[in-house]
Amino acid sequence: AIQMTQSPSSLSASVGDRVTITCRASQGIRNHLGWYQQKPGRAPKLLIYTASSLQSGVPSRFSGSGSGTDFTLTISSLQPEDFATYYCLQDFTYPLTFGGGTKVEIK
Amino acid sequence: EVQLVESGGGLVQPGGSLRLSCAASGFIFSDHYMDWVRQAPGKGLEWVGRTRNKVNSYTTEYAASVKGRFTIARDDSKNSLYLQMNSLKTEDTAVYYCVREGIVATLDFWGQGTLVTVSS
Repeated sequence: AIQMTQSPSSLSASVGDRVTITCRASQGIRNHLGWYQQKPGRAPKLLIYTASSLQSGVPSRFSGSGSGTDFTLTISSLQPEDFATYYCLQDFTYPLTFGGGTKVEIK
Repeated sequence: EVQLVESGGGLVQPGGSLRLSCAASGFIFSDHYMDWVRQAPGKGLEWVGRTRNKVNSYTTEYAASVKGRFTIARDDSKNSLYLQMNSLKTEDTAVYYCVREGIVATLDFWGQGTLVTVSS
């Protein structure tokens, strides 16, 4: 199975900060990567698909980049509602695999 | 409005069985692949498995951790997805999410989940 390694596992940031989360695949997955946001007690929500496409309704401060094995989720200006846990997911091959998550906390 | 509503969770003893259901509405259910994803308490997300659509013969894929014990089925006439779980283990304790595979985007819409607790 492809392993997805996310970093950092947690970070503290302030409102207005630029935040970057990375995800590395153990083998190439082309652009078959999605990013999800999950708040406590809630279901995950799709933010980015095919590595860089913004899901409908998601604010433009979220962006994704990368291809192959290295991917990045960027929040250009962190807002209070962005404090959550973020996961990457590869759907290049079965089994689908998630990264371990990055918890974004208030500094 | 897309809606996915899971049901059937609860407490079950190790070795027991449970069947989860997911009622879908607000989209053409028969067009989509459908997945189950789970999340153990305080842990990350784990993909459980997928059923493809009729065009792709309703074929299925499973995670190694559940293969041979779990079975995913669907009834397009009822817009429903199912997860039959047998030989349950304590490590199967989790919130189970019903998830739609988008036409363009993967795993694009999630239900609110149902909690399965495997304990004696």
